[in-house]
Amino acid sequence: GIQVEQSPPDLILQEGANSTLRCNFSDSVNNLQWFHQNPWGQLINLFYIPSGTKQNGRLSATTVATERYSLLYISSSQTTDSGVYFCAGGPNFNKFYFGSGTKLNVKP
Amino acid sequence: DAGVIQSPRHEVTEMGQEVTLRCKPISGHDYLFWYRQTMMRGLELLIYFNNNVPIDDSGMPEDRFSAKMPNASFSTLKIQPSEPRDSAVYFCASSPVVDEQFFGPGTRLTVL
Repeated sequence: GIQVEQSPPDLILQEGANSTLRCNFSDSVNNLQWFHQNPWGQLINLFYIPSGTKQNGRLSATTVATERYSLLYISSSQTTDSGVYFCAGGPNFNKFYFGSGTKLNVKP
Repeated sequence: DAGVIQSPRHEVTEMGQEVTLRCKPISGHDYLFWYRQTMMRGLELLIYFNNNVPIDDSGMPEDRFSAKMPNASFSTLKIQPSEPRDSAVYFCASSPVVDEQFFGPGTRLTVL
């Protein structure tokens, strides 16, 4: 299957700081997505971004499909941004692979 | 809408017992997904349905696992017989389109 590598594995930020999370895929994917899991376990779909750039408030994501990576930007971080960020993708939804996540802790 | 509803929220059972997890998707959503999350394997997509039809169950780990969607408002994931290594959090998600998923709160399954 496709290997999904996320970096960094852990990240500690002071509230208000910016950060960039990265996701690398070992092969091409057609359905790249970013998810956030809050400290209570709730999963939220952040972006569907097989290519290009999207923005939603303080979050934005960019995928360079030809180079098989995606970036998630968090600006002006808040404590509510804490949790684990996952990227996932595959050739189609029958084969959909998750990274191991970036655990973010935003301190007040 | 109340969002995706999963039941039970917690399930503790003994090895060998049958376990049935339930999911009610958001009304009007054509896609339904079942995921499993464990410390060892992380998040895994088990199966997804489009208009109540299973698209591919190749993500289902073993024949002990089965999923059904008898109608647009209900799906089940069944494990028979259950084993300790099935202990995990099982998430159900639904979406109006394949790329915008709304997750339920999950069912935490413990198999003793």
